[in-house]
Amino acid sequence: EDQVTQSPEALRLQEGESSSLNCSYTVSGLRGLFWYRQDPGKGPEFLFTLYSAGEEKEKERLKATLTKKESFLHITAPKPEDSATYLCAVQAPSELSFGAGTTVTVRA
Amino acid sequence: GAVVSQHPSWVICKSGTSVKIECRSLDFQATTMFWYRQFPKQSLMLMATSNEGSKATYEQGVEKDKFLINHASLTLSTLTVTSAHPEDSSFYICSAIGPVGGANQPQHFGDGTRLSIL
Repeated sequence: EDQVTQSPEALRLQEGESSSLNCSYTVSGLRGLFWYRQDPGKGPEFLFTLYSAGEEKEKERLKATLTKKESFLHITAPKPEDSATYLCAVQAPSELSFGAGTTVTVRA
Repeated sequence: GAVVSQHPSWVICKSGTSVKIECRSLDFQATTMFWYRQFPKQSLMLMATSNEGSKATYEQGVEKDKFLINHASLTLSTLTVTSAHPEDSSFYICSAIGPVGGANQPQHFGDGTRLSIL
């Protein structure tokens, strides 16, 4: 059974304090790994797609990387507006599986 | 680009009534739309997948007679929760993908509908 596990569940950061979120997965035939940002009461907002190990994508203070077993979302010098729940999702041949998310709170 | 609009954003109704939620792709043709349910502090659970012009495919455990899905056009899918009861209260989110890129392209999500059944 395909599984996607995100850690930690929650992360509290001081503004400017860089950190990383982890998404580990066990799927057969990875077709793609997606990162989304979800604000309270809203739908997920697409951030990145990664397709193969070694691939990296960047957007402002966020950088996503992918290995054969996990993906990391690095947040560099976060600001309060980066506070959100970050979801990863893994596309296998037959389905898309979501992790439970990491809720990031950045204090000014 | 790739904007998905969902309406209404919040609905409160009495037990036993039916509720219709609309999901529209505003700037692309959505060949496939997905309906999810999300409980507080939990991940998204796929309910069903619908392709334009054909019957929806429901996930195991999802009652197709309870959650009616119609995908009549390339820009609109609807989810009707029939005879809703308090246990149907949840956050419902739709997403869509277009014809280019197949199943491996990212899904684009609406802003969800908060359904509260009294």
